[in-house]
Amino acid sequence: KAGVTQTPRYLIKTRGQQVTLSCSPISGHRSVSWYQQTPGQGLQFLFEYFSETQRNKGNFPGRFSGRQFSNSRSEMNVSTLELGDSALYLCASSLGPGYNSPLHFGNGTRLTVT
Amino acid sequence: SQQGEEDPQALSIQEGENATMNCSYKTSINNLQWYRQNSGRGLVHLILIRSNEREKHSGRLRVTLDTSKKSSSLLITASRAADTASYFCATDDGGGSEKLVFGKGTKLTVNP
Repeated sequence: KAGVTQTPRYLIKTRGQQVTLSCSPISGHRSVSWYQQTPGQGLQFLFEYFSETQRNKGNFPGRFSGRQFSNSRSEMNVSTLELGDSALYLCASSLGPGYNSPLHFGNGTRLTVT
Repeated sequence: SQQGEEDPQALSIQEGENATMNCSYKTSINNLQWYRQNSGRGLVHLILIRSNEREKHSGRLRVTLDTSKKSSSLLITASRAADTASYFCATDDGGGSEKLVFGKGTKLTVNP
């Protein structure tokens, strides 16, 4: 089975722009979770989607949003980028809810905001 | 909210030695998971241990869970240079929200 695929792998944007990141889960997985990883804050939970519905949301401003499509693929969007949004964004898929099932992670999208 | 906290923050050992990492958490959990991350890459799931289990093994890995002390440990036996990575514990955040939250990790270096 193919693993979790995240695109693009690297992205450079300037402040004020917006960005969309994509995640294709493992076939058959219906849950997709997103995390932001930075050296200072570690791994921070962004949101989780299951069957196109947002199950949970972390403590991020409304500039961070996501969605899941009927084929379980997911996208996250960050609008009005700030320097502090520079991070590794990780997507993970699982068979069941993320808190109760092993997560399978992609290799992430490295976002740099200048 | 951050639930799990790993200790130590960094660990350096020689190949062939055992490595032990600890995780403490604050509130009741459904299960606890351990993950490994090689530099700049995604996390890899190692073991999930449920709250009613005390010990699980997978190859050279042994995980224990003590719910009375709200702590878990990950033991890697006969470590190899390829075990060099960061190791994270993760739990549901204890607030009933069913989010999986991660600690800040232990950075393990295995010297050849």
